[in-house]
Amino acid sequence: EIVLTQSPDFQSVTPKEKVTITCRASQSIGSSLHWYQQKPDQSPKLLIKYASQSISGVPSRFSGSGSGTDFTLTINSLEAEDAATYYCHQSSSLPLTFGGGTKVEIK
Amino acid sequence: EVQLAESGGGLVQPGGSLRLSCAASGFTFSSYWMHWVRQAPGKGLVWVSRINHDGSSTSYADSVKGRFTISRDNAKNTLYLQMNSLRAEDTAVYYCIRDYTMDVWGQGTTVTVSS
Repeated sequence: EIVLTQSPDFQSVTPKEKVTITCRASQSIGSSLHWYQQKPDQSPKLLIKYASQSISGVPSRFSGSGSGTDFTLTINSLEAEDAATYYCHQSSSLPLTFGGGTKVEIK
Repeated sequence: EVQLAESGGGLVQPGGSLRLSCAASGFTFSSYWMHWVRQAPGKGLVWVSRINHDGSSTSYADSVKGRFTISRDNAKNTLYLQMNSLRAEDTAVYYCIRDYTMDVWGQGTTVTVSS
């Protein structure tokens, strides 16, 4: 099973600040890494697919990078509406797995 | 509009059974692999099962293998999850999801296993 380790677990950030969340895979997964945003009492929402591909309708301040085992989600100029928990997910091999999540709080 | 709508959740005693349904609309359901993912209260996301576009191939997490069965009816645009021998640790919100990129999620249905 591929383990995805996200860091940090929690981040408290002021608006307009840049946020960086990392996701490390226990073995190489190529670019089969996707990022999701989950707000309280809502379903997760796809932000970035295949490590760096943007999703229609997602603000351009969200971007992804990486390949192999190390991946990054960047939120440029954080807005209040970005308060949420962020998850990475690998679709390279079964069982599909998710990172433990990173909760982003707005100061 | 592309939508997934789960139903069938509820309160069930340990050892009981439940069948979840997921109605798809706004896209060609038969063209997509589908998944079930669950989220226990206050916890993270856990993949449960997946099925290929025509139902000929299925896979399960070890924690549900032998107890849960995923299936689909492409004529009815509906995905199912039959859950048997339910345990307290199966308590969660269950989400129906489209594709390996998990680009479309339902609103979830809550399953509570308790006596």
